[in-house]
This record gives sequence, C-alpha cells and structure tokens, in this order.
Amino acid sequence: GAVVSQHPSRVICKSGTSVKIECRSLDFQATTMFWYRQFPKQSLMLMATSNEGSKATYEQGVEKDKFLINHASLTLSTLTVTSAHPEDSSFYICSATLRGLAGGPSHEQFFGPGTRLTVL
Amino acid sequence: QQQVKQSPQSLIVQKGGISIINCAYENTAFDYFPWYQQFPGKGPALLIAIRPDVSEKKEGRFTISFNKSAKQFSLHIMDSQPGDSATYFCAASNFNKFYFGSGTKLNVKP
Repeated sequence: GAVVSQHPSRVICKSGTSVKIECRSLDFQATTMFWYRQFPKQSLMLMATSNEGSKATYEQGVEKDKFLINHASLTLSTLTVTSAHPEDSSFYICSATLRGLAGGPSHEQFFGPGTRLTVL
Repeated sequence: QQQVKQSPQSLIVQKGGISIINCAYENTAFDYFPWYQQFPGKGPALLIAIRPDVSEKKEGRFTISFNKSAKQFSLHIMDSQPGDSATYFCAASNFNKFYFGSGTKLNVKP
C-alpha cells in the first residue's frame, strides 16, 4: 500500500517549452503533496506544499509563476515547469502524506520514483 | 541555516560490518525523525523512523538511536550487505514539513 507514482519518469524538452509532471497516490487519498527538487549528489530541496483544492505554498526562492502546481483531487497533483531553461534541468520528486488519525496529515511521507527533466 | 546536519558524506564498509550514519538537529519542535534510502535514479524510500519519546527503534538489521538531550540521532545498519549500497538521508519533521540531511553515500564492499 501507499504507492505514489510519477509520470513521466524522464522528459527531454527544448528551451522555452513547458513541461507537466503528474504525481498520483495510487491506493490512498493524500491530504498533502509535496514537490522536491534534487540536484546530482545533493539532498532534496522542498519546492512547495500543496493541499487539495487550495493554492500551493511555495518555499522561499521558488518562483510560483515558473513552477505551477495544481492539486485537483486527493490523488493527483501536477507540477508544470513553464518556459523551461537548461538551469531547470533536475530530478523532480513528489511525495504524499496520508490522512492522519485526527483527520489531519500524518507524518509519514511516501515518495514517488522521480522525474528526470533535461532541458536542451 | 541547515536544520539537519548529516555525517559522514560517504562511507565504505566491508560486507558484514556495521554502518553508522549520524544526524544532528537544532529545532526542539521536531517530533518525527525518519531515515530514507535512495538508489540512483529513484525516489527515496522510508527505511525506519522514530519519535522523540523513544531512545531506540529496531527493525531487522536497521536501528535508530535517538538522544533527545544531545539533539542527535543515528542509523545503524548491522551485517551490512552490498545491496545496502545506496544514499541515505535523515530527516526531521514538525507540522508535516520535512527537513532533510545532506545525505550519506554508503558503499558496502563484498
């Protein structure tokens, strides 16, 4: 149980185009979904937190107009990298949390397999 | 300011040996401390986690030791195997926001 999928797993695009990455919780309803970015041999950097039906909360330094996040349902969140440039090339990982005992989010985060974005 | 400091950056252990990775944190509001294992090109997978009211948690070959007064916690991998070779991240969480350590690349030699 608690499986999170991402699509696509790998994408190569030209500079200036937009890319959409999907994150789905397959067998549970996710209270909250998170989007991370990971550079080679580095740790995960939280980009934004999204709750179903509300606007995403972006971390300091992350451009909300550049990285559009939509959380349309309890099982789907999307990250759109708009007007992508080579410096946006990275490994993007989403995670999701279960609804906790009290109705709020639980602590445990389940990570997707990641999406490798390469912008030429 | 880095919320969670992890060491060492890399670790080489012989098969059958004990791998030890350490993390330290500052924020006493953290109340959940997970460890994740990540293989190249894959997302992190939860390995084991502990809450601050417990000093040790063991699951199979993996043990977390937690020292609340020192604000430190560590992962011990007993009888390390080549299949354990991966990057390990510690994390600390409060209010569902996670702060990750910088990662430790473990290489278990056969």
